[in-house]
Amino acid sequence: GAGVSQSPSNKVTEKGKDVELRCDPISGHTALYWYRQSLGQGLEFLIYFQGNSAPDKSGLPSDRFSAERTGGSVSTLTIQRTQQEDSAVYLCASSLTNEQFFGPGTRLTVL
Amino acid sequence: GNSVTQMEGPVTLSEEAFLTINCTYTATGYPSLFWYVQYPGEGLQLLLKATKADDKGSNKGFEATYRKETTSFHLEKGSVQVSDSAVYFCALLSNSGYALNFGKGTSLLVTP
Repeated sequence: GAGVSQSPSNKVTEKGKDVELRCDPISGHTALYWYRQSLGQGLEFLIYFQGNSAPDKSGLPSDRFSAERTGGSVSTLTIQRTQQEDSAVYLCASSLTNEQFFGPGTRLTVL
Repeated sequence: GNSVTQMEGPVTLSEEAFLTINCTYTATGYPSLFWYVQYPGEGLQLLLKATKADDKGSNKGFEATYRKETTSFHLEKGSVQVSDSAVYFCALLSNSGYALNFGKGTSLLVTP
């Protein structure tokens, strides 16, 4: 069966450029989450969607980060004016209950 | 807020050895507890969970019991295999009720 998919799997960008990361959740899952995994900080929660709305953006590290979800399905995480400290693996998860299913992640490297 | 602390790794064991990875939690109430596993080059997979005190989660020979007396959710396996080599994360639902708070992860290497 189809799990959570993310694209691209790897992204290398230059400092100052904008990037968009995409997440396709499991069909029918109403909740969607973004997390970040980095060596220094471990796994951090970024943002949560219930349907198309994001009631909790408290984990976004700065106003350079934004996310949207359309049609209750696909989500994009956008990072503007990337910095080297944004380098990490960005994980997306979806759920119907409190059991979250994770995608393979997008490894972002900012040079 | 709700948080977990798990033992630092790396842990190196011989095949068929007994495994324990300690995890303790601090929480308001009794949130659901989880163990996730990340195999090399792969994403996070849910290994097992427990939703209330005294529940035992189990999967693939791994077990963990939700113990409120000791605020613990230790992961155990009686006989590890080389294929169990991975990073294991303890997690719990945060005070929000939906975001997961993860421990820092414990790397396990099982040698033949």
